[in-house]
Amino acid sequence: SSELTQDPAVSVALGQTVRITCQGDSLRTYYANWYQQKPGQAPILLIYGKNKRPSGIPDRFSGSRSGNAASLTITGAQAEDEADYYCNSRDSSGNRGFGGGTKLTVL
Amino acid sequence: QEQLQESGPGLVKPSQTLSLTCTVSGGSITSGDYYWSWIRQPPGKGLEWIGYIHYSGSTYYNPSLKSRVTISIDTSENQFSLKLSSVTAADTAVYFCARDSPGYYYYGMDVWGQGTTVTVSS
Repeated sequence: SSELTQDPAVSVALGQTVRITCQGDSLRTYYANWYQQKPGQAPILLIYGKNKRPSGIPDRFSGSRSGNAASLTITGAQAEDEADYYCNSRDSSGNRGFGGGTKLTVL
Repeated sequence: QEQLQESGPGLVKPSQTLSLTCTVSGGSITSGDYYWSWIRQPPGKGLEWIGYIHYSGSTYYNPSLKSRVTISIDTSENQFSLKLSSVTAADTAVYFCARDSPGYYYYGMDVWGQGTTVTVSS
């Protein structure tokens, strides 16, 4: 199954570190990819594969995986990091799936 | 750098067929062995993957939408298209097209269109 579960909301103080998690059976086999989406905009790929960042993505964003869970960590959160974050993966059939999204508030 | 742009009617009547096209610019839709996906996002909700197509014509659809979805590709026009039949208000959403990665390890969708809003209403 490509079903992925995320906490609906997380908050972090400015400059602190926050971890956003994603759980699903498919993550035991396949990587989680992470996207940032701001209101009215398309998602942007932040992290893919084994903790890889596309060109232009700040290095304060990192990813990890353990068992059936994956995490996106923002080290030193900035005001501009306030957004919705989605994990995404595939299952053995080739289905793609997205987590329900986590709304990050930077205090 | 490739760019994607969705186009199509913004209003569709219930029970009719939603039709959208994604035009790829800055690169060929046949290069790189990518998949080309459609994703939607209902107002205030999360992302839902609809399906993808490869330039060879092979397709894969979300099982929950499979009976109503057709994705096609026109390599001569560098476009791929989505048709969703028998629409209801629940199909009202922003529809995105995206370049999707091939392969076993799956590296996500790295290029997205800006999205187009489709409202289902009489």
